Amino acid sequence: DAGVTQSPTHLIKTRGQQVTLRCSPKSGHDTVSWYQQALGQGPQFIFQYYEEEERQRGNFPDRFSGHQFPNYSSELNVNALLLGDSALYLCASSLGLLPGTLFFGSGTQLSVL
Amino acid sequence: SQQGEEDPQALSIQEGENATMNCSYKTSINNLQWYRQNSGRGLVHLILIRSNEREKHSGRLRVTLDTSKKSSSLLITASRAADTASYFCATDAGGGYQKVTFGTGTKLQVIP
Repeated sequence: DAGVTQSPTHLIKTRGQQVTLRCSPKSGHDTVSWYQQALGQGPQFIFQYYEEEERQRGNFPDRFSGHQFPNYSSELNVNALLLGDSALYLCASSLGLLPGTLFFGSGTQLSVL
Repeated sequence: SQQGEEDPQALSIQEGENATMNCSYKTSINNLQWYRQNSGRGLVHLILIRSNEREKHSGRLRVTLDTSKKSSSLLITASRAADTASYFCATDAGGGYQKVTFGTGTKLQVIP
């Protein structure tokens, strides 16, 4: 049973560039949430996707956008990268919209130079 | 913004001792969960306690919840070196649309 997979593992970009991060949820899960975790901090909620629609959004600018595909996989896009976007980006999957356990991937470490 | 705040921020104990971490949160919740994170990678779910529960056990873990004080504690008994990790509490306000908000974390070091 495959868990949550994220790609790539590491990424280095320069300011102003755009980046796309990918996530495949755990088998049987249909909901994907994205989190940003700065060094030494707790994960911050970016947004959540269910049935290919953004259902909830945290306090992040429009430069952060996402997409969910019919197979439940998801992408996180960040435009016009800033130095402050350097962080570990975590994808979490779950089943349905009722609150419960989140299953996390290993994350993508993004460095913006 | 962080909903929860863990205390202490860092904790160092000897193997075999018990470790207690506390979490305080700001708004009413539906569920409170604890997660563990090793070396800044993915988080692993440990335990979930509902707002109408006061205590829950899972193996060497004991979680308490006091909704009147908006606080929770995680006790790890007979700690092992493998318990070295960061621990986060996470809350959701219910009402559908699962937005789980994490605290600032406690970094636990268990010395062999």
